[in-house]
Amino acid sequence: EVQLVQSGAEMKEPGESLKISCATSGYTFDTHWIGWVRQMPGKGLEWMGIIWPDDSDARYSPSFQGQVTISADKYISTAYLQLNNLKASDTAIYYCARLGKLCRGSNCYNYAMDVWGQGTTVTVSS
Amino acid sequence: DIQVTQSPSSVTASVGDRVTITCRASQPISNSLAWYQQKPGEAPKVLVSFASTLQSGVPPRFGGSGSGTDFTLTISSLQPEDVATYYCQQTNNFPWAFGQGTKVEI
Repeated sequence: EVQLVQSGAEMKEPGESLKISCATSGYTFDTHWIGWVRQMPGKGLEWMGIIWPDDSDARYSPSFQGQVTISADKYISTAYLQLNNLKASDTAIYYCARLGKLCRGSNCYNYAMDVWGQGTTVTVSS
Repeated sequence: DIQVTQSPSSVTASVGDRVTITCRASQPISNSLAWYQQKPGEAPKVLVSFASTLQSGVPPRFGGSGSGTDFTLTISSLQPEDVATYYCQQTNNFPWAFGQGTKVEI
């Protein structure tokens, strides 16, 4: 069974930094993109970025470029999301998710975020 | 970047009703669209990929259609357990933008 297990809830003060982990199991980690999604309180889903764990190629949504850092350690099958200089507006639930892949011959297609972590609630408050 | 616009933002219907949610992409994306269901307090769950392919285990009352720029998610007979927020997502090019969400209530 494919599983993504995220680190626990965090309470931080403004200006602090935070690194959320997403530990995966049940599949070959470095053959699927891993993505991160933000959900602010009472709001919708926002796609933050993705990483290819084999070579740590990271792609960011323009809204989050420069604001967060996505990384991965393929030797322990874990992805990370780092948030620096936290603000109250970073208060949200952060999800990691695997990008599902369908291969036909030599062509592969990423078709959806098919397995999700349970989410990590981050609260930033003084 | 490709944007997706989802409507309506909310819908209230009765058990057994047919519910339709639409999603429009800012440029043609072939069939590169997924639909997700998110129940309160839970992570999202993918229902449909490639615009119309139902994921394993998803009840057949859910259906997706469309291609190009216009897509639809239909619940043919609304059930109490379908109360949730539904999101579309274009999967044609990174960044994979989500629609704004549609809250379905009974």
